[in-house]
Amino acid sequence: DGGITQSPKYLFRKEGQNVTLSCEQNLNHDAMYWYRQDPGQGLRLIYYSQIVNDFQKGDIAEGYSVSREKKESFPLTVTSAQKNPTAFYLCASTQGGLGTGELFFGEGSRLTVL
Amino acid sequence: AQSVAQPEDQVNVAEGNPLTVKCTYSVSGNPYLFWYVQYPNRGLQFLLKYITGDNLVKGSYGFEAEFNKSQTSFHLKKPSALVSDSALYFCAVRDRRGSQGNLIFGKGTKLSVKP
Repeated sequence: DGGITQSPKYLFRKEGQNVTLSCEQNLNHDAMYWYRQDPGQGLRLIYYSQIVNDFQKGDIAEGYSVSREKKESFPLTVTSAQKNPTAFYLCASTQGGLGTGELFFGEGSRLTVL
Repeated sequence: AQSVAQPEDQVNVAEGNPLTVKCTYSVSGNPYLFWYVQYPNRGLQFLLKYITGDNLVKGSYGFEAEFNKSQTSFHLKKPSALVSDSALYFCAVRDRRGSQGNLIFGKGTKLSVKP
């Protein structure tokens, strides 16, 4: 079945450590996104990529980094510079074009900093 | 600036009653509008979207939404609520002139359907 796979689903990290969240899609979508979800704040865009080897910062990119070396993969690294990394992280994708397409989401990764 | 408002943090309805989850938006141009649903500790699932044409849009699981340009609203509705509809609902908007990255989400409305 086509879809988006995020791993790990749960992740615990000590302060000062970098962690990388995986996102893989087999939908052949051009565009991929990372969102952060905090209770009562909705979804906030961290980074997005419309094509391979290109990506743009979203609204809250500080303390995060991404790469897009392959069409199907868009990993997110949460660095030690991120002041409050505990959150639910969602990866999404959509077919590129005019912006009419809906986003397809993964099941999310919950990061907890101890 | 684009924005989406979901004025109710929580909506409570009895099973079998109609439900409405409200959404208003602000964009500089004409919008693309979306509704998503999220169950606990899961990703978001697409329900429906308005792109153009008929203002009444029908989507998954019996949900529908009405685009009202004069009131800049896109309220989600269902004629008869089910307990299984209990979840977190998000409205989202994209300006037609914006880039693919500019999908703005509301803060979400928690729907609770009681038997």
